[in-house]
Amino acid sequence: KAGVTQTPRYLIKTRGQQVTLSCSPISGHRSVSWYQQTPGQGLQFLFEYFSETQRNKGNFPGRFSGRQFSNSRSEMNVSTLELGDSALYLCASSFLAETNTGELFFGEGSRLTVL
Amino acid sequence: AQSVAQPEDQVNVAEGNPLTVKCTYSVSGNLYLFWYVQYPNRGLQFLLKYITGDNLVKGSYGFEAEFNKSQTSFHLKKPSALVSDSALYFCAVRPLQTGANNLFFGTGTRLTVIP
Repeated sequence: KAGVTQTPRYLIKTRGQQVTLSCSPISGHRSVSWYQQTPGQGLQFLFEYFSETQRNKGNFPGRFSGRQFSNSRSEMNVSTLELGDSALYLCASSFLAETNTGELFFGEGSRLTVL
Repeated sequence: AQSVAQPEDQVNVAEGNPLTVKCTYSVSGNLYLFWYVQYPNRGLQFLLKYITGDNLVKGSYGFEAEFNKSQTSFHLKKPSALVSDSALYFCAVRPLQTGANNLFFGTGTRLTVIP
């Protein structure tokens, strides 16, 4: 079974630009979560999508947005990039069911550098 | 507020010696506990989880963790460290009462196993 796939793996942008990151979850997984990882703040939850609906959102400004498609693939978008947005963005998927134990399966991340 | 603490940024241990990576949490209500490992430029890999039952849980690569409710701790342990265990380790908590699928992560502990 293929794992969580994130694209692109690396990208460089300049301040003020916008970026879109993509995540394909494990087949059959319907929940997709996004996390931002930085050396200073660690891993911070951005948002979670399930069945094309945002179910939960972390404490990030409105410049950070996301969506989920009917095939469970998800994208996140960051507009008006700032230097502080430089980070590793991790996507995680899980199979949400009554017996779900919350185990998340992570992709390898998209490393964004803002210059 | 929900929080997870990993009091040691860095742990060094000699190869063959036992290792412990500490984690304490401040989360109200029922919860699930997890340990993840991250290798350089990679996503997080699931190691083990505590859901309910036996306080000692066993996971991948010979790792185990002990849940201590009175001390609100979930320390990661391994009887004999390998050089290949050198990585960044994250403790995470999922509070159940929120119904959400997001995890709260500690800040990570970098484990270095010295040959």
